[in-house]
Amino acid sequence: LAKTTQPISMDSYEGQEVNITCSHNNIATNDYITWYQQFPSQGPRFIIQGYKTKVTNEVASLFIPADRKSSTLSLPRVSLSDTAVYYCLVGETGGGNKLTFGTGTQLKVEL
Amino acid sequence: DVKVTQSSRYLVKRTGEKVFLECVQDMDHENMFWYRQDPGLGLRLIYFSYDVKMKEKGDIPEGYSVSREKKERFSLILESASTNQTSMYLCASSLGQYITDTQYFGPGTRLTVL
Repeated sequence: LAKTTQPISMDSYEGQEVNITCSHNNIATNDYITWYQQFPSQGPRFIIQGYKTKVTNEVASLFIPADRKSSTLSLPRVSLSDTAVYYCLVGETGGGNKLTFGTGTQLKVEL
Repeated sequence: DVKVTQSSRYLVKRTGEKVFLECVQDMDHENMFWYRQDPGLGLRLIYFSYDVKMKEKGDIPEGYSVSREKKERFSLILESASTNQTSMYLCASSLGQYITDTQYFGPGTRLTVL
């Protein structure tokens, strides 16, 4: 079962690119990596999911190196509204059906 | 839009009480989940269900049970609430087949056990 580790907090300024890395050293072959965003008083919301290499959607990119022992969520040109907690999730689909959330990274974006 | 609703936003109970947390989703999702969220610990999976009347333990099932009698409804039960179960409880649902499918979360229930 993959254990995930994330930085507790990060600070940035509007317009900058932010990269948040999650370590999952014992990720298994069948595990997928998903990132969620959570605002205060709300449940987490899906951002992006990937298995390997690079995935991009309209809000973020996800970079996963060949060994898959880490993943990096990239938020281009952040704004104040991106201030939130970001969680990585490693999910197992190969019969074990286990999910492991990271402890979350509090991103604070300032002017 | 998928909507996941939880019966209460805030709940205060006494030690030893039986507590029911209800979750309803309106998108015919197969999978439903219960998590608890604590500062510094992130989200931890308590139970999940992949079909009516089916359930599987997550990482921290001790002290909890669940019920899924209808596809849209998933209940979390604290048989005898204790102070260490004071937490934020989050329900989620996902389409099905794979546990890694996108999860849609409710707003959470803040439970305080006195």
